[in-house]
Amino acid sequence: EDQVTQSPEALRLQEGESSSLNCSYTVSGLRGLFWYRQDPGKGPEFLFTLYSAGEEKEKERLKATLTKKESFLHITAPKPEDSATYLCAVQLYSSASKIIFGSGTRLSIRP
Amino acid sequence: NAGVTQTPKFQVLKTGQSMTLQCAQDMNHNSMYWYRQDPGMGLRLIYYSASEGTTDKGEVPNGYNVSRLNKREFSLRLESAAPSQTSVYFCASSEGSSGNQPQHFGDGTRLSIL
Repeated sequence: EDQVTQSPEALRLQEGESSSLNCSYTVSGLRGLFWYRQDPGKGPEFLFTLYSAGEEKEKERLKATLTKKESFLHITAPKPEDSATYLCAVQLYSSASKIIFGSGTRLSIRP
Repeated sequence: NAGVTQTPKFQVLKTGQSMTLQCAQDMNHNSMYWYRQDPGMGLRLIYYSASEGTTDKGEVPNGYNVSRLNKREFSLRLESAAPSQTSVYFCASSEGSSGNQPQHFGDGTRLSIL
């Protein structure tokens, strides 16, 4: 069964304390992996797309990496405004409509 | 630049009532999606439209119908609302028809069924 699991469910960090969020997947054929940020009361906002193992993407304090079994979202020296829920999603080759989202990691950054 | 607009933002229904959730995008995207988001669960795809005139079922289509009215608009209808359909509903769009492009989301409709 195709599955996407994110860990931890919640993470509280001090401002400036770097960490990583994990997205592990067991799917029949990965076409692409997406990272989104979701603020309370809002829809998800696109961050990155990764297509193949070894690929990395960066944006400000965020860096996403991909292996054959998991993806990491690394947050370097986070600020309070980085507080949000981070979602990963996988797109499968089997169907254009086969998109599986993880349940997210709630990140809280204390000043 | 509005992006993806959903209406209404909030709605309370009684069991058995019907309603239509509206979604419109102004980015000239081909694909549009409807998801539901429940606490502790990931976004789950209800229906998908790769292009005007086509729709496909997603993971949880039962109890819902959709209409791709034109390239801009994709509506979701609940014919006979049930308490299990209480959720936050998100509409999204993406540029291509193959599903491997990032999706742009609206801010959701919060629906409660009493």
